[in-house]
Amino acid sequence: GAVVSQHPSWVICKSGTSVKIECRSLDFQATTMFWYRQFPKQSLMLMATSNEGSKATYEQGVEKDKFLINHASLTLSTLTVTSAHPEDSSFYICSARTSPVSSYEQYFGPGTRLTVT
Amino acid sequence: GIQVEQSPPDLILQEGANSTLRCNFSDSVNNLQWFHQNPWGQLINLFYIPSGTKQNGRLSATTVATERYSLLYISSSQTTDSGVYFCAVFNYGQNFVFGPGTRLSVLP
Repeated sequence: GAVVSQHPSWVICKSGTSVKIECRSLDFQATTMFWYRQFPKQSLMLMATSNEGSKATYEQGVEKDKFLINHASLTLSTLTVTSAHPEDSSFYICSARTSPVSSYEQYFGPGTRLTVT
Repeated sequence: GIQVEQSPPDLILQEGANSTLRCNFSDSVNNLQWFHQNPWGQLINLFYIPSGTKQNGRLSATTVATERYSLLYISSSQTTDSGVYFCAVFNYGQNFVFGPGTRLSVLP
């Protein structure tokens, strides 16, 4: 089946620094990738949708200057948390979709746990 | 937008028991998926089931699109089934909407 990887799986950073998280589709081309955020014991909240070669579309309330998303190729999307603060600590999950026409099934990465101290 | 509800919110089972998880959605949908989030946070695709019935081992799912609900059946539960089960719905041109999840604990 389709496999999505994320790197790193966990990261600890100091307040004020920036952190980059990578999301890769390993065995398929992802025309669309999604970034979610999950707080403890809560459901997933969509942050943004990125299409290869286009600017990301951010959900209401998500600061695009704080959460920079780049979908540089059909297999790689990155999320950069800029000037991180403790309230940005969370579990970040990416997902990828193979094609906008043939299937809308999404495949999820293993997640990245970010802790900002 | 579409609202998704899941029940029960929490479920505790003894190993070997059967269970049924329910997902209700407020409008017609083009796609519905069930996921299992394991204790390490990984979301695992269980079923892609916009309608009909599917089975995979001890798990099966049924979606009745006309009545806007889906059921996930877990038979002979095992401790490894513990985690959170999410359903998520999708319409063309829109994004996935996740339900709040059902937190399952299977006791040995």
